[in-house]
Amino acid sequence: AQKITQTQPGMFVQEKEAVTLDCTYDTSDPSYGLFWYKQPSSGEMIFLIYQGSYDQQNATEGRYSLNFQKARKSANLVISASQLGDSAMYFCAMREVYSGAGSYQLTFGKGTKLSVIP
Amino acid sequence: GAGVSQSPSNKVTEKGKDVELRCDPISGHTALYWYRQSLGQGLEFLIYFQGNSAPDKSGLPSDRFSAERTGGSVSTLTIQRTQQEDSAVYLCASSLTGGLAGGRDTQYFGPGTRLTVL
Repeated sequence: AQKITQTQPGMFVQEKEAVTLDCTYDTSDPSYGLFWYKQPSSGEMIFLIYQGSYDQQNATEGRYSLNFQKARKSANLVISASQLGDSAMYFCAMREVYSGAGSYQLTFGKGTKLSVIP
Repeated sequence: GAGVSQSPSNKVTEKGKDVELRCDPISGHTALYWYRQSLGQGLEFLIYFQGNSAPDKSGLPSDRFSAERTGGSVSTLTIQRTQQEDSAVYLCASSLTGGLAGGRDTQYFGPGTRLTVL
């Protein structure tokens, strides 16, 4: 089974509107971290936001917020007031803390390509 | 401060040749990771270095792949007898503590090396 599922291969959003990118995950590890990265056409992976499994509040970083629903195992990224520069691939990733070997590597979803329309 | 750097940015080689890809992590980061990004497979973990410990090579796809990290800093990923299926973007990342700090240990990525095997 896939550990990270991003069901939206592509999304369009109007400039200045908000958009939600979906991410669901699968783990039996009680302690884990969830990350979102942005990859523009230049190729570099840019860290956006982090949510820990024990964090009581949803993470926020500027225009980015994470809608974390632990019982549903979802960690959706919300981008408010979209800008043209937000057009990129977005990857959800997970790091499981107590999985023994491999507890340090990130497992990535397939990504969502976001296009912001002027 | 300076981010993760990788060289070369692009590498075109002929099938059967050996290639070396270089990664310079963020100063002070003890953990270093190599990932591969290809259209068919998405982002795959290859290898992890933590300080002076033996690396975790569990993600290396074959014995043609090897990596070393000298002096706990610069890393070189070597692919011997390259095959066309090795064509991908090779991404290097570093983090402050690796698996030692629990879930919140953000990996910061370099710009990648795009490898094309003809």
